Amino acid sequence: DTAVSQTPKYLVTQMGNDKSIKCEQNLGHDTMYWYKQDSKKFLKIMFSYNNKELIINETVPNRFSPKSPDKAHLNLHINSLELGDSAVYFCASSHGLAGGFRETQYFGPGTRLLVL
Amino acid sequence: QKEVEQNSGPLSVPEGAIASLNCTYSDRVSQSFFWYRQYSGKSPELIMSIYSNGDKEDGRFTAQLNKASQYVSLLIRDSQPSDSATYLCAVNKYGGATNKLIFGTGTLLAVQP
Repeated sequence: DTAVSQTPKYLVTQMGNDKSIKCEQNLGHDTMYWYKQDSKKFLKIMFSYNNKELIINETVPNRFSPKSPDKAHLNLHINSLELGDSAVYFCASSHGLAGGFRETQYFGPGTRLLVL
Repeated sequence: QKEVEQNSGPLSVPEGAIASLNCTYSDRVSQSFFWYRQYSGKSPELIMSIYSNGDKEDGRFTAQLNKASQYVSLLIRDSQPSDSATYLCAVNKYGGATNKLIFGTGTLLAVQP
C-alpha cells in the first residue's frame, strides 16, 4: 500500500502552459508539504498545510498555487510554466509539524517536471 | 553561509569500510536532526533521527550530534554497494507553527565492491 502517492510521475510540457500535480496520503497525517528538488539535488520546502490550513509559504512565485481539499490531499497548480520550473516536485506528509520532536516525514515518489 | 552544509562528494569507500558523512548547521536553536537516504531517481527515505548530544546507533548506522559545535554526522559501518546513494542531512528550523526542515545539498556516497 502506497503511503504518499503523487500523480503524474512524469510531466513534459511547453513553456506557458498550466499544469497540476496531485498528492494523496493514507497515513492519517495532519500535515502535508510540497518540496522542489533542483538538478543539484537541493531539496527546498515550498508550502506546508496543516489540517487544510496553509502554514508555510516560502518565497515561491505566485504562479504556484497549492490547494488542500481535505487533510489527505494536497495539490499543486502551476500557471504559465517557465524553463526554471523544471525540477522534481516531492509531496510529503507528517503527523505533526516537520522537524518537531520525534516527527517523521514521509515523501511521495516525486513528479519529474520538464518544461520545454 | 548556508543553513545546512554538507560536502557534495562523491565520497568513495571500499566495501566493508566505514563511511563517514558530515553536516554542519547554522541555527543554534535547532533541536531535531535527520539523515535521509536518496537513491538515484527515488524519493528521500528517513534512516536516522537524533535529538540529543552523543551517539545513536541503529544497526550499521550511527548518528552523532554535537550541538556546541553545530555538527552532526552519520557513520555507516561495513559499507555495502547497496548503501551507494545521496545522503541528505536535515535540520529543523524552529518557527512555532511554521516549524520546518532545512536540507543540505547531500553527499553522494559510492561504495566500491
